[in-house]
Amino acid sequence: KAGVTQTPRYLIKTRGQQVTLSCSPISGHRSVSWYQQTPGQGLQFLFEYFSETQRNKGNFPGRFSGRQFSNSRSEMNVSTLELGDSALYLCASSFSVRGGFTDTQYFGPGTRLTVL
Amino acid sequence: DAKTTQPPSMDCAEGRAANLPCNHSTISGNEYVYWYRQIHSQGPQYIIHGLKNNETNEMASLIITEDRKSSTLILPHATLRDTAVYYCIVTTGNQFYFGTGTSLTVIP
Repeated sequence: KAGVTQTPRYLIKTRGQQVTLSCSPISGHRSVSWYQQTPGQGLQFLFEYFSETQRNKGNFPGRFSGRQFSNSRSEMNVSTLELGDSALYLCASSFSVRGGFTDTQYFGPGTRLTVL
Repeated sequence: DAKTTQPPSMDCAEGRAANLPCNHSTISGNEYVYWYRQIHSQGPQYIIHGLKNNETNEMASLIITEDRKSSTLILPHATLRDTAVYYCIVTTGNQFYFGTGTSLTVIP
């Protein structure tokens, strides 16, 4: 079974631009979560989508948004990029019949975003 | 969700057992204990999880104390490829809080 895939793997943008990252979950998984990882803050939860609905949300500004499609693929968007948005963005999927994080999450390799 | 406390770093000799402790003294009855690891620049990898009982799989063993306030991840025969940051997480399902983890270095 193929793992979680994320595209693109690397991205360079400038301040003020916007960016869209894509995540394809493991086949059959309905929950997709997004995380931001930086050297200073570590791994921080952004949001989780389940059946096209945002179910959980971390403490990030509204510039960070996401969506999930009917095939469970997910995108996250960051608008008006700031230097501090430079990070590794990780996507994770889980089967999640019950919902939430009691089902094992499987992570993709991440997208490394650099904001200049 | 409860938070966890882990030592920032540990060393382990290759071939020996690596015992990684985690304190989760505020854990509630319906919170699971999860362990993930992250090898440099890769996505976190699931290792094991448990609720009350000790668990074992092909990668590791998880020992949870009877009061559930702490746990230990055991890698029975550490190899150089086990060098990574290990995260202990407790969650009911609202959020995965990764914390700072333990950086394990396996020494030849």
